[in-house]
Amino acid sequence: EAGVTQFPSHSVIEKGQTVTLRCDPISGHDNLYWYRRVMGKEIKFLLHFVKESKQDESGMPNNRFLAERTGGTYSTLKVQPAELEDSGVYFCASSQEWGYRDGYTFGSGTRLTVV
Amino acid sequence: AQSVTQLGSHVSVSEGALVLLRCNYSSSVPPYLFWYVQYPNQGLQLLLKYTSAATLVKGINGFEAEFKKSETSFHLTKPSAHMSDAAEYFCAVSEGNQFYFGTGTSLTVIP
Repeated sequence: EAGVTQFPSHSVIEKGQTVTLRCDPISGHDNLYWYRRVMGKEIKFLLHFVKESKQDESGMPNNRFLAERTGGTYSTLKVQPAELEDSGVYFCASSQEWGYRDGYTFGSGTRLTVV
Repeated sequence: AQSVTQLGSHVSVSEGALVLLRCNYSSSVPPYLFWYVQYPNQGLQLLLKYTSAATLVKGINGFEAEFKKSETSFHLTKPSAHMSDAAEYFCAVSEGNQFYFGTGTSLTVIP
């Protein structure tokens, strides 16, 4: 089966611009997660979708970040306007119902650099 | 909230030597624990997981980890390092719908 796909793999944008990251989860996985790793620190939770609904967005840094999941399939994470501190690697993951026990399948990540 | 501590952000071992990557977690209840590995230019790959079935867990590529409740530890080991083991390793614990990760340990294997 195809894994979790993220694109772009890399993005370099200027401060103040807008960037949209996309994630295609494994087919049939209702749960979709976004995580972020900033500057070699720990990977941190951003939010969790169950199908098209936001189950938990407690990790979203601020209102410059907007996540959507159209029709419960792919998801996008938009940063508008981007700031320097938004640089990092953004990971998407998906799982079936028992992801907290069985583990998630992660994508390769999008490396975002804001200059 | 959970916290995960990985001692040593960088570990170097000689090819054929023992690999030991340390992980300690904070949890007052039996946790679900995981080790993930990230090879260069790839995503996070599940190496192994502890789900309370057995304290010694075997994963892929010859890695294993032992859950020690008294020490709140879940250290990752491999008896003999191979060049292909060079990667970054992340320990994680799940709570609710979130995974809490350590800061990662970059493993270098010296020929």
